[in-house]
Amino acid sequence: DIVLTQSPALAVSLGQRATISCRASESVRSSMHWYQQKSGQQPKLLIYGASNLASGVPARFSGSGSGTDFTFTIDPVEADDIATYYCQQSRNDPLTFGSGTKLEIK
Amino acid sequence: QVQLQQSGAELAKPGSSVKISCKASGYTFTSYYISWIKQTTGQGLEYIGYINTGSGGTNYNEKFKGKATLTVDKSSSTAFMQLSSLTPDDSAVYYCARWRYRGAGYYFDYWGQGVMVTVSS
Repeated sequence: DIVLTQSPALAVSLGQRATISCRASESVRSSMHWYQQKSGQQPKLLIYGASNLASGVPARFSGSGSGTDFTFTIDPVEADDIATYYCQQSRNDPLTFGSGTKLEIK
Repeated sequence: QVQLQQSGAELAKPGSSVKISCKASGYTFTSYYISWIKQTTGQGLEYIGYINTGSGGTNYNEKFKGKATLTVDKSSSTAFMQLSSLTPDDSAVYYCARWRYRGAGYYFDYWGQGVMVTVSS
């Protein structure tokens, strides 16, 4: 299975940029997707295909990368962005998720 | 609007089975597969498998073969997942999600609210 590695947590000040990384154990080309999960809620799709913004998602959110290294960015960070962010690959079966990065506000 | 409405929380005894449901609305049910995902504090998010809502064909993560059985009722736009031979390790929140494909792979564009399954004697 492809393992996706994320840092556990990130603290950012409001109005600043948050950058979350996801590293795959082998190339997933551009088959990387990002989700936001707020406390007590289901995950929500934000980015698909590494860099495509999902419908209705603010342009403050963006994604980049290909191969094994991917970046998810929020700029600027707002208070409502407090959540855990997960990457997910669909290059190989089974689909796998990263362990999540919890975004905290400084 | 697209909605996936899941059934309520389950409390089950070890060795028993549970069947949870996921009712879709707001789109043509048979145009999209439905996937199931397990979430625990320890293991995070785990992909269980998907069901082709048109044909009933299934694909399972090897880890969940024999544990999960996916079915569908097209007449009610509802997908089901049965979990069998339950152990405490099956205690988790289970989500259904709509499976979407575009150029760069498969992802989950809409999720149900989740069902908490607790296995305890």
